[in-house]
Amino acid sequence: NAGVTQTPKFQVLKTGQSMTLQCAQDMNHNSMYWYRQDPGMGLRLIYYSASEGTTDKGEVPNGYNVSRLNKREFSLRLESAAPSQTSVYFCASSLTGTGDYEQYFGPGTRLTVT
Amino acid sequence: KQEVTQIPAALSVPEGENLVLNCSFTDSAIYNLQWFRQDPGKGLTSLLLIQSSQREQTSGRLNASLDKSSGRSTLYIAASQPGDSATYLCAPEEGGSEKLVFGKGTKLTVNP
Repeated sequence: NAGVTQTPKFQVLKTGQSMTLQCAQDMNHNSMYWYRQDPGMGLRLIYYSASEGTTDKGEVPNGYNVSRLNKREFSLRLESAAPSQTSVYFCASSLTGTGDYEQYFGPGTRLTVT
Repeated sequence: KQEVTQIPAALSVPEGENLVLNCSFTDSAIYNLQWFRQDPGKGLTSLLLIQSSQREQTSGRLNASLDKSSGRSTLYIAASQPGDSATYLCAPEEGGSEKLVFGKGTKLTVNP
């Protein structure tokens, strides 16, 4: 099993450009998450999806959109990138609703917006 | 809103020492708490998951305890090794939401 995979690993954008970060999991998990990690701020939840077809905002959703394409895939889109969105982005998944879940993380995407 | 504090922010110890990392959280209405390890430039690796019905979990040289009533968890690392050098993150759930809230981590350096 590959676990949680993310593409691309690195990306440089200019202000105003758009891009989509891809995430896929092969553990048959129902819940998926997008986080950003910034120095001194820790990990913060951007969006999450408790099941296919549902998405909800996390702590820092502004400037982002998400799509839960199917049970395996959860994408994060930046419509008009800003320097403040320079960060490391992590996708995670878990099997929720059972009271006994554990989140598994992907390797991350390092995004720089100039 | 769940707030998580990890103390100390950084810790440097000689190889072989036993050590304790502390985590405190403000909302005790949690079902689970998870400890992670993060190596520089890498993703997060899950170390231990403690359910609210449990008081502790063990994996090898790691032992994590949970005291919901006081809003505290500790991660105990026995006989530390240079390979244990990493940042350790504590993440309790936020009020039954099945979403985790992360502390800023403790950066551990184990010197040979």
